Amino acid sequence: DADVTQTPRNRITKTGKRIMLECSQTKGHDRMYWYRQDPGLGLRLIYYSFDVKDINKGEISDGYSVSRQAQAKFSLSLESAIPNQTALYFCATRGRGETYNEQFFGPGTRLTVL
Amino acid sequence: KQEVTQIPAALSVPEGENLVLNCSFTDSAIYNLQWFRQDPGKGLTSLLLIQSSQREQTSGRLNASLDKSSGRSTLYIAASQPGDSATYLCAVYNQGGKLIFGQGTELSVKP
Repeated sequence: DADVTQTPRNRITKTGKRIMLECSQTKGHDRMYWYRQDPGLGLRLIYYSFDVKDINKGEISDGYSVSRQAQAKFSLSLESAIPNQTALYFCATRGRGETYNEQFFGPGTRLTVL
Repeated sequence: KQEVTQIPAALSVPEGENLVLNCSFTDSAIYNLQWFRQDPGKGLTSLLLIQSSQREQTSGRLNASLDKSSGRSTLYIAASQPGDSATYLCAVYNQGGKLIFGQGTELSVKP
């Protein structure tokens, strides 16, 4: 079983709809991240969380919100989806105090907003 | 503000060639640098992570180097194979644990 899972894997929705993307991890890591990937722009950080009560905005947080329901779960919401939020979304985790600071990524969610 | 650039954006080589992918970053105050592989429509697979105190890391046919002072890293792939075809992403860890990504190099290895 994958250590970092994302649901759904693919989603098509309409402008104005509320969408939630979910991320779960079994690595026991306390730090979790949401990124979006657009062609030619690499990955950009949306939100990150160092523990359940610590939520921080990333580079491109406008139009998004997050919820850290438990250490293992981190959800990303689009309150009112718009077409330029069409992208590939990745969740990632990192453990505290790990020497190598390595992040582990989920398989991604492809979101299309019509 | 940290910026990460990868050159070239795309590369096509015949099978068996040795090749080098380049990554540069503007702020040398990094903790680590990580190279990833991404297959089309798929997630990211970590290939190599170099700590700021290290000069290089090796895994199989892959060798990554880091020169903090010049803000550069290279990923060397020996004896390339068609299965190496993918997008390769370079990312640096800034202070605060944020990962800043380059745009990637799309590699195609022709049989």
